[in-house]
Amino acid sequence: DTGVSQNPRHKITKRGQNVTFRCDPISEHNRLYWYRQTLGQGPEFLTYFQNEAQLEKSRLLSDRFSAERPKGSFSTLEIQRTEQGDSAMYLCASELGQGNTGELFFGEGSRLTVL
Amino acid sequence: AQSVTQLDSQVPVFEEAPVELRCNYSSSVSVYLFWYVQYPNQGLQLLLKYLSGSTLVKGINGFEAEFNKSQTSFHLRKPSVHISDTAEYFCAVWNTNAGKSTFGDGTTLTVKP
Repeated sequence: DTGVSQNPRHKITKRGQNVTFRCDPISEHNRLYWYRQTLGQGPEFLTYFQNEAQLEKSRLLSDRFSAERPKGSFSTLEIQRTEQGDSAMYLCASELGQGNTGELFFGEGSRLTVL
Repeated sequence: AQSVTQLDSQVPVFEEAPVELRCNYSSSVSVYLFWYVQYPNQGLQLLLKYLSGSTLVKGINGFEAEFNKSQTSFHLRKPSVHISDTAEYFCAVWNTNAGKSTFGDGTTLTVKP
C-alpha cells in the first residue's frame, strides 16, 4: 500500500502525559499537512511542511504542540502535557507540491482520547 | 482569509432519489475547490475537484459539482443515490497563495432504503 500511513490509530492517555503521532506520506509528495478534526466539525489546519521546512503553523497550535519532518519524509506530531481538550482525530495529508493542484491525500487518522 | 459554509449539516434522503449538498465559500484570492468524502473510521477521500475550465466537474461514484463564481458556490449533486453513499461530505477551498485548504464543517448524507 503506497498511501498515507498514520500510527498509532488510537491512543488513550491520561491528562498531563505526552503523546506522539507519526505520519508517513506518499513517497514522492513534497508537502505534508496536519489537521485536527473534532466531532461534528471539518478538519482544522494545524501546520504544514514543504520537504523538511515547516512553512506555517496555525494560531490554534499552542506551544504544547510541536511537529517535525526531519528528513523531508515522515513527520511526527508531539503533544506535551495533554489536556482533555486535545481529544480529537489528528489527520495527516500529503500533496504532490509540484504544480500546486491542492489535492490532498489523507491517512486514516490517529484518534486521541485524553482521560 | 477564506471560509467555507456547508449549508446543511444533515441530509436524509431515500435510495434512488436525487440529492444536492450545498457549499458556499468566500475568499479574497484565487482558489481551487474540492469535495471529499469520509466513510466511518476512515480518512477523507477525494470525490472531485475544480481547478479551472468547465464549471461542471464530474467525480467518482456518479457525483458531480458545479462551480458558480458569481454566487461563490460549489454544490455537489447526484441524480440517484445508493445506500453506500451514506457518509460525511466535506467541501474544501484551496488557497493558491497560502498552499493550504480550508474545510467546511461537513454534511452527513444518510440514504434510507
